[in-house]
Amino acid sequence: EIVLTQSPATLSLSPGERATLSCRASQSVSSYLAWYQQKPGQAPRLLIYDASNRAGGIPARFSGSGSGTDFTLTISSLEPEDFAVYYCQQRSDWPITFGQGTRLEIK
Amino acid sequence: EVQLLESGGGLVQPGGSLRLSCAASGFTFSGFAMSWVRQAPGKGLEWVSSIRDTGTSTFYADSVKGRFTISRDNSKNSLYLQMNSLRAEDTAVYYCAKTLLGKNCFDSWGQGALVTVSS
Repeated sequence: EIVLTQSPATLSLSPGERATLSCRASQSVSSYLAWYQQKPGQAPRLLIYDASNRAGGIPARFSGSGSGTDFTLTISSLEPEDFAVYYCQQRSDWPITFGQGTRLEIK
Repeated sequence: EVQLLESGGGLVQPGGSLRLSCAASGFTFSGFAMSWVRQAPGKGLEWVSSIRDTGTSTFYADSVKGRFTISRDNSKNSLYLQMNSLRAEDTAVYYCAKTLLGKNCFDSWGQGALVTVSS
């Protein structure tokens, strides 16, 4: 199975700062990578699909990039509501797999 | 507005069975693949199973293969997960998720159903 490794495990930043989250795949997933945001007690929310496409209703401060094995989720200027856990997910091959998550916390 | 409402969670003894249901509304259910994703307490997300729009193809994580069965009834706009031979490690919140058309990622999620496997 394709293993996704996210880094860092925890990222401490202040509102207004830029956040850069990484996801590395154990083998190429082409551009078949998605990003989700999850807040405590809530279901995940799809942010980005196919590496760089924003899902419906997602603010433009969220952007995704990468292909092959290395991917990045960037939040250009953090808003208070952006502090959450972020997961990447690949759909290149079965089984579908998720990364272990990056916790974005307020510094 | 897409709505997914899970039901059927609860406490079950190891070795027992449980059936989760997911009632869908706000979209053409028969046109989309559907999935179950779970999250153990304090842990990350784990894909469990997916079923194509027609129900003719199903996919399972190795951790549940042979024990869980995914199904759907397009006439009732409903998704199901039959869980047999439950283990303590199956304890999790189970989310029903709608697949983004043709993409095998999940653009709508239910609120989740808690399944606790314990004696």
